[in-house]
Amino acid sequence: DTGVSQDPRHKITKRGQNVTFRCDPISEHNRLYWYRQTLGQGPEFLTYFQNEAQLEKSRLLSDRFSAERPKGSFSTLEIQRTEQGDSAMYLCASSPLGATSGNTIYFGEGSWLTVV
Amino acid sequence: AQSVTQLGSHVSVSEGALVLLRCNYSSSVPPYLFWYVQYPNQGLQLLLKYTSAATLVKGINGFEAEFKKSETSFHLTKPSAHMSDAAEYFCAVSDPNQGGKLIFGQGTELSVKP
Repeated sequence: DTGVSQDPRHKITKRGQNVTFRCDPISEHNRLYWYRQTLGQGPEFLTYFQNEAQLEKSRLLSDRFSAERPKGSFSTLEIQRTEQGDSAMYLCASSPLGATSGNTIYFGEGSWLTVV
Repeated sequence: AQSVTQLGSHVSVSEGALVLLRCNYSSSVPPYLFWYVQYPNQGLQLLLKYTSAATLVKGINGFEAEFKKSETSFHLTKPSAHMSDAAEYFCAVSDPNQGGKLIFGQGTELSVKP
């Protein structure tokens, strides 16, 4: 396994610009999750996919945020009209086929976003 | 709703001393519980997990945790701290009705003094 891969690792953008993050999960993992983590806090759940279906979205995911997983493989998280409060690390994670609550969720290295 | 509370945002121990990081959970259903470690500027790595089998769970790097239902606790311990253990530790509970997503505590930063 090559692990969960995220790109870019770091992004600095001006307020009001759009940004997109990409996540490549571990091969054949059918569940994919997005989390947001700010300094000194634990990760907060944003959304998750089972294959290409987006099954849950947190209330944290405002209308400016959109996530896709078009072919059930990689996923993208787009933030439109970025605000300074969006500055955080965005973590992607995946878990294997037929995942139950006990299956391990594997995390990527995260994508740091700084909005200036 | 499920939740996790980690007692102590920062714990400092001397090298060779016992490490004890506290985690209490709230769950309306039998929980699955996890400990993850995060090194600076990195993602999260699984240390260990409890999935309703043995209540004493052994993980990587010499860590272990004991599930105590009566105390709703899942504290993480290591008999002898090493400098390389310095990191942020997160306790998490899995919601069985919500696609296996994890709900994390606030984290405990562990410092190890020489």
